[in-house]
Amino acid sequence: TVLTQSPGTLSLSPGQRATLSCRASQSVNSNYLAWYQQKPGQAPRLLIHGASSRATGIPDRFSGSGSGTDFTLTVSRLEPEDFAVYYCQQYGDSLTFGGGTKVEIK
Amino acid sequence: EAQLLEWGGGLVEPGGSLRVSCTASGFTFSSFGMNWVRQAPGKGLEWVSTIGGSGDDTYYTDSVKGRFIISRDNSKNTLHLQMNSLQVEDTAVYYCAKDWSRLVGSAFDFWGRGISVTVSS
Repeated sequence: TVLTQSPGTLSLSPGQRATLSCRASQSVNSNYLAWYQQKPGQAPRLLIHGASSRATGIPDRFSGSGSGTDFTLTVSRLEPEDFAVYYCQQYGDSLTFGGGTKVEIK
Repeated sequence: EAQLLEWGGGLVEPGGSLRVSCTASGFTFSSFGMNWVRQAPGKGLEWVSTIGGSGDDTYYTDSVKGRFIISRDNSKNTLHLQMNSLQVEDTAVYYCAKDWSRLVGSAFDFWGRGISVTVSS
Protein backbone atom coordinates (compact mmCIF):
# COMPACT_ATOMS: atom_id res chain seq x y z
CA THR A 1 0.00 0.00 0.00
CA VAL A 2 1.44 3.33 -1.11
CA LEU A 3 0.65 6.37 1.04
CA THR A 4 0.63 9.84 -0.56
CA GLN A 5 0.72 12.84 1.75
CA SER A 6 -0.31 16.34 0.77
CA PRO A 7 0.61 19.06 0.70
CA GLY A 8 4.36 18.63 0.78
CA THR A 9 4.75 21.84 2.76
CA LEU A 10 2.18 23.82 4.70
CA SER A 11 3.03 27.42 5.66
CA LEU A 12 0.90 28.66 8.54
CA SER A 13 1.02 31.00 11.52
CA PRO A 14 0.70 30.05 15.19
CA GLY A 15 -2.95 29.86 16.15
CA GLN A 16 -4.08 28.72 12.70
CA ARG A 17 -5.63 25.37 11.87
CA ALA A 18 -3.56 22.77 10.01
CA THR A 19 -5.17 20.09 7.87
CA LEU A 20 -2.89 17.33 6.54
CA SER A 21 -3.97 14.64 4.09
CA CYS A 22 -2.87 11.03 3.66
CA ARG A 23 -4.27 9.02 0.76
CA ALA A 24 -3.73 5.26 0.40
CA SER A 25 -3.46 3.37 -2.89
CA GLN A 26 -5.89 0.78 -1.52
CA SER A 27 -8.22 0.58 1.43
CA VAL A 28 -6.38 0.42 4.77
CA ASN A 29 -7.42 -2.69 6.66
CA SER A 30 -9.30 -1.99 9.89
CA ASN A 31 -8.28 1.67 9.62
CA TYR A 32 -4.81 0.74 10.83
CA LEU A 33 -3.44 4.21 10.17
CA ALA A 34 -1.08 6.16 12.43
CA TRP A 35 0.34 9.68 12.44
CA TYR A 36 3.76 10.77 13.74
CA GLN A 37 5.45 14.09 14.38
CA GLN A 38 9.19 14.47 13.86
CA LYS A 39 11.33 17.47 14.77
CA PRO A 40 14.89 17.98 13.46
CA GLY A 41 17.41 15.69 15.11
CA GLN A 42 14.72 13.79 17.03
CA ALA A 43 12.99 10.45 16.73
CA PRO A 44 9.38 10.42 15.54
CA ARG A 45 6.60 10.67 18.14
CA LEU A 46 3.34 8.76 17.84
CA LEU A 47 0.34 11.09 17.75
CA ILE A 48 -2.58 9.00 16.46
CA HIS A 49 -3.23 5.28 15.99
CA GLY A 50 -6.24 3.48 14.60
CA ALA A 51 -6.91 6.55 12.42
CA SER A 52 -8.49 8.56 15.25
CA SER A 53 -7.22 7.49 18.69
CA ARG A 54 -4.79 9.88 20.35
CA ALA A 55 -1.68 8.30 21.84
CA THR A 56 -0.90 8.74 25.51
CA GLY A 57 -0.05 12.32 26.44
CA ILE A 58 -0.97 13.87 23.09
CA PRO A 59 -2.86 17.19 23.42
CA ASP A 60 -6.44 17.26 22.22
CA ARG A 61 -5.67 19.90 19.60
CA PHE A 62 -4.43 16.94 17.53
CA SER A 63 -7.16 14.84 15.94
CA GLY A 64 -7.29 12.17 13.29
CA SER A 65 -10.14 11.18 11.02
CA GLY A 66 -10.94 9.22 7.91
CA SER A 67 -11.40 5.69 6.71
CA GLY A 68 -10.79 3.49 3.70
CA THR A 69 -8.27 5.36 1.56
CA ASP A 70 -8.55 8.95 2.81
CA PHE A 71 -7.26 10.12 6.17
CA THR A 72 -6.72 13.52 7.77
CA LEU A 73 -4.68 14.87 10.65
CA THR A 74 -5.96 18.17 12.02
CA VAL A 75 -4.18 20.47 14.44
CA SER A 76 -6.90 22.82 15.64
CA ARG A 77 -4.66 25.70 16.75
CA LEU A 78 -0.97 25.54 15.99
CA GLU A 79 1.38 26.06 18.90
CA PRO A 80 5.03 27.06 18.28
CA GLU A 81 6.16 23.53 19.15
CA ASP A 82 3.89 21.99 16.47
CA PHE A 83 6.01 23.15 13.55
CA ALA A 84 7.59 19.92 12.38
CA VAL A 85 7.31 17.16 9.79
CA TYR A 86 4.33 14.81 10.00
CA TYR A 87 4.18 11.27 8.63
CA CYS A 88 1.32 8.87 8.20
CA GLN A 89 1.87 5.11 8.41
CA GLN A 90 -0.38 2.18 7.57
CA TYR A 91 -0.02 -1.15 9.33
CA GLY A 92 -2.92 -3.09 7.86
CA ASP A 93 -0.99 -4.55 4.93
CA SER A 94 2.67 -4.89 5.83
CA LEU A 95 3.94 -1.48 6.92
CA THR A 96 4.50 1.67 4.91
CA PHE A 97 5.05 5.36 5.62
CA GLY A 98 3.94 8.34 3.62
CA GLY A 99 6.48 10.85 2.31
CA GLY A 100 5.71 13.46 4.97
CA THR A 101 4.25 16.95 5.23
CA LYS A 102 6.36 19.78 6.60
CA VAL A 103 4.44 22.36 8.63
CA GLU A 104 6.50 25.54 8.63
CA ILE A 105 6.05 28.97 10.15
CA LYS A 106 4.68 31.51 7.70
CA GLU B 1 8.14 4.45 30.77
CA ALA B 2 9.72 2.45 28.00
CA GLN B 3 13.22 3.35 26.89
CA LEU B 4 15.15 2.13 23.87
CA LEU B 5 18.83 2.65 23.19
CA GLU B 6 20.50 1.70 19.93
CA TRP B 7 24.18 0.93 19.57
CA GLY B 8 26.65 -0.58 17.14
CA GLY B 9 26.44 1.72 14.14
CA GLY B 10 29.34 3.15 12.20
CA LEU B 11 31.12 3.29 8.86
CA VAL B 12 31.37 0.21 6.65
CA GLU B 13 32.48 -0.38 3.06
CA PRO B 14 30.03 -1.50 0.38
CA GLY B 15 29.58 -5.26 0.53
CA GLY B 16 30.47 -5.33 4.22
CA SER B 17 28.48 -6.33 7.29
CA LEU B 18 27.40 -4.57 10.46
CA ARG B 19 25.15 -5.42 13.38
CA VAL B 20 23.11 -2.79 15.17
CA SER B 21 21.42 -3.54 18.47
CA CYS B 22 18.83 -1.99 20.77
CA THR B 23 18.52 -2.45 24.51
CA ALA B 24 15.05 -2.02 25.98
CA SER B 25 13.84 -1.18 29.48
CA GLY B 26 10.69 -0.10 31.25
CA PHE B 27 8.30 -2.67 29.77
CA THR B 28 7.87 -6.42 29.39
CA PHE B 29 10.09 -6.83 26.35
CA SER B 30 8.95 -10.32 25.36
CA SER B 31 5.30 -9.24 25.18
CA PHE B 32 5.71 -6.83 22.28
CA GLY B 33 6.80 -6.91 18.69
CA MET B 34 9.80 -4.77 17.84
CA ASN B 35 10.81 -2.97 14.69
CA TRP B 36 13.58 -1.26 12.80
CA VAL B 37 12.85 1.91 10.85
CA ARG B 38 15.46 3.87 8.91
CA GLN B 39 15.80 7.39 7.60
CA ALA B 40 18.29 8.26 4.89
CA PRO B 41 19.87 11.72 5.13
CA GLY B 42 17.28 14.37 4.36
CA LYS B 43 14.64 11.75 3.50
CA GLY B 44 11.51 10.28 5.03
CA LEU B 45 10.92 7.24 7.20
CA GLU B 46 11.22 3.73 5.81
CA TRP B 47 10.10 0.59 7.64
CA VAL B 48 12.83 -2.07 7.52
CA SER B 49 11.87 -5.09 9.64
CA THR B 50 9.58 -6.42 12.38
CA ILE B 51 9.86 -9.31 14.80
CA GLY B 52 7.16 -10.79 17.03
CA GLY B 53 7.50 -11.06 20.79
CA SER B 54 8.67 -14.67 20.77
CA GLY B 55 11.03 -14.12 17.85
CA ASP B 56 9.33 -16.75 15.71
CA ASP B 57 7.78 -14.38 13.17
CA THR B 58 9.86 -11.95 11.19
CA TYR B 59 9.09 -9.56 8.35
CA TYR B 60 11.23 -7.47 6.00
CA THR B 61 10.84 -4.77 3.42
CA ASP B 62 11.68 -6.08 -0.05
CA SER B 63 14.92 -4.12 -0.45
CA VAL B 64 16.59 -5.88 2.51
CA LYS B 65 15.20 -9.41 2.16
CA GLY B 66 18.01 -11.94 2.01
CA ARG B 67 20.55 -9.40 3.30
CA PHE B 68 19.28 -8.33 6.75
CA ILE B 69 18.33 -10.56 9.67
CA ILE B 70 16.29 -9.35 12.64
CA SER B 71 16.53 -11.23 15.92
CA ARG B 72 15.95 -10.74 19.62
CA ASP B 73 17.25 -12.04 22.94
CA ASN B 74 14.40 -11.79 25.42
CA SER B 75 16.66 -12.84 28.30
CA LYS B 76 18.70 -9.69 27.68
CA ASN B 77 15.90 -7.37 26.49
CA THR B 78 17.86 -6.80 23.31
CA LEU B 79 16.92 -6.48 19.65
CA HIS B 80 19.41 -6.97 16.83
CA LEU B 81 19.63 -6.23 13.12
CA GLN B 82 22.39 -8.08 11.28
CA MET B 83 23.06 -6.24 8.03
CA ASN B 84 25.01 -8.07 5.31
CA SER B 85 25.97 -7.16 1.73
CA LEU B 86 25.53 -3.52 2.64
CA GLN B 87 24.94 -1.02 -0.15
CA VAL B 88 25.43 2.73 -0.31
CA GLU B 89 21.62 3.05 -0.33
CA ASP B 90 21.51 1.50 3.16
CA THR B 91 23.13 4.63 4.60
CA ALA B 92 20.68 5.99 7.16
CA VAL B 93 19.84 6.56 10.78
CA TYR B 94 18.36 3.33 12.08
CA TYR B 95 15.68 3.55 14.75
CA CYS B 96 14.50 0.80 17.04
CA ALA B 97 10.77 1.10 17.77
CA LYS B 98 8.27 -0.75 19.97
CA ASP B 99 4.85 -1.94 18.87
CA TRP B 100 2.04 -0.01 20.56
CA SER B 101 -0.22 -3.06 20.87
CA ARG B 102 0.05 -6.84 20.96
CA LEU B 103 -0.60 -6.78 17.19
CA VAL B 104 2.77 -7.55 15.62
CA GLY B 105 3.81 -4.66 13.41
CA SER B 106 1.39 -2.01 14.56
CA ALA B 107 1.86 1.66 15.37
CA PHE B 108 5.12 2.42 17.17
CA ASP B 109 4.70 4.12 20.54
CA PHE B 110 8.32 4.31 21.71
CA TRP B 111 11.40 4.97 19.64
CA GLY B 112 15.12 5.01 20.33
CA ARG B 113 17.22 8.04 19.50
CA GLY B 114 18.61 6.33 16.40
CA ILE B 115 22.03 5.11 15.34
CA SER B 116 23.91 6.19 12.23
CA VAL B 117 25.04 3.65 9.63
CA THR B 118 27.18 4.90 6.77
CA VAL B 119 28.10 2.70 3.81
CA SER B 120 30.94 4.25 1.87
CA SER B 121 34.29 3.40 0.37
